[in-house]
Parts: sequence; C-alpha cells; structure tokens
Amino acid sequence: DVKVTQSSRYLVKRTGEKVFLECVQDMDHENMFWYRQDPGLGLRLIYFSYDVKMKEKGDIPEGYSVSREKKERFSLILESASTNQTSMYLCASSFFPGNYGYTFGSGTRLTVV
Amino acid sequence: AQSVTQPDIHITVSEGASLELRCNYSYGATPYLFWYVQSPGQGLQLLLKYFSGDTLVQGIKGFEAEFKRSQSSFNLRKPSVHWSDAAEYFCAVVRNTGTASKLTFGTGTRLQVTL
Repeated sequence: DVKVTQSSRYLVKRTGEKVFLECVQDMDHENMFWYRQDPGLGLRLIYFSYDVKMKEKGDIPEGYSVSREKKERFSLILESASTNQTSMYLCASSFFPGNYGYTFGSGTRLTVV
Repeated sequence: AQSVTQPDIHITVSEGASLELRCNYSYGATPYLFWYVQSPGQGLQLLLKYFSGDTLVQGIKGFEAEFKRSQSSFNLRKPSVHWSDAAEYFCAVVRNTGTASKLTFGTGTRLQVTL
C-alpha cells in the first residue's frame, strides 16, 4: 500500500515563527498536495506540485510557500506563523495526472499561540 | 467552476438502519465525483468514485453511490450502518483549473451512530 507520512502529528508554534510541515510518500507519485481542514469549511487546497520543483497555488496560498526538491518529499512552509493558521494540515499524493484517487497522510494538527 | 455541496452538517442514525448522505454538484458536463471517509484521527480514505458509465457505483465497506444527472446529485448510501461507520464523510469533484486537475471537497457530513 502507498504510504503518505507526515512528520508530526501535533505541533505547537509561536506567532511569528517559521514553520515547516513535512510530507513523504513512498510510491513514486507525481502529484502531491497540501490541504487545510477546518470545521465547517471542509478541505481547502493550499498548494500542489505536479513534478519536482514544479508547484502551483491552490485556493488559499497566502501566508504559505512550498518546496519540492525531491519527488518523494513535499514541504509546506509557514513563513511567519499566525494564530489564524491554527488548523489541521493534510498532505496527499496521486500517481499521475488523471488518477484522482488521492492517498492522504494522517494529518498534522498545528496550533499557533 | 466545479463545486460540491453537502447540505447536512451532522447526521445521526441507529446501528442497523439505512444511511443516505447527500451531495450536490455544480458542473455542466459529466463531473468526476468521489466520496471519501475520515475516521477520527485519521487521514481521508477513498470510498468510491464515478467517472462515467453505470450510474450506480459500488465502493468499499459496503457503500454505494448513485449519480443522478437530473438532480445534480451523487448521494452515498449504505443499507445497514455499523457503529464503526461513525466518521466524517466528504464528497469531492475534479476541478480543471491551472496546469492540472485537482479535487475540490465539500464541507463534510459528520455521521454519528447510536447503538
């Protein structure tokens, strides 16, 4: 089975800190995604990457950036964490464009204080 | 743009009862539709998907969904709910924007199962 691993399950950071959320997949997937999940809002796409060093903004990219230096790893960066970025962050991957059966990680619950 | 609406935020059913979770889509052509489930503390798992063809699709864990173009709906059903089905359920549609297609999710329906 494909595995998508998010490095931290729970994270607490201070306002203004630079935060890195890491995601690794082990099945050579082309596409990787970062979503944010908030109650009543569902999942909202932050960024996605369709190849190494290739990225595209999603619906809510403000305050975030991403890095994909290797195919298996996709990092989400909060440049200067703010309290309104307290949320559950979900990483997902899929094999190739047109295959939409995303595999999700278990999520990172980030609290910014 | 393609989108989905899940009108029910929270549903409670008794174990053994039937279940129907609603999903309405907005798209002129035939959409690609999905249902995912998120158990407490877990990521999302794909239950089933519809691309074309037979409008009744079978998924894992005994779930099925029916695509109805006339009603712009893709409702999820299960004949007999088990306590382990308590989870949050998300409907999703493929959205074609930018350089690649990606999934847009509904706001979710939380299912509670009473014993």
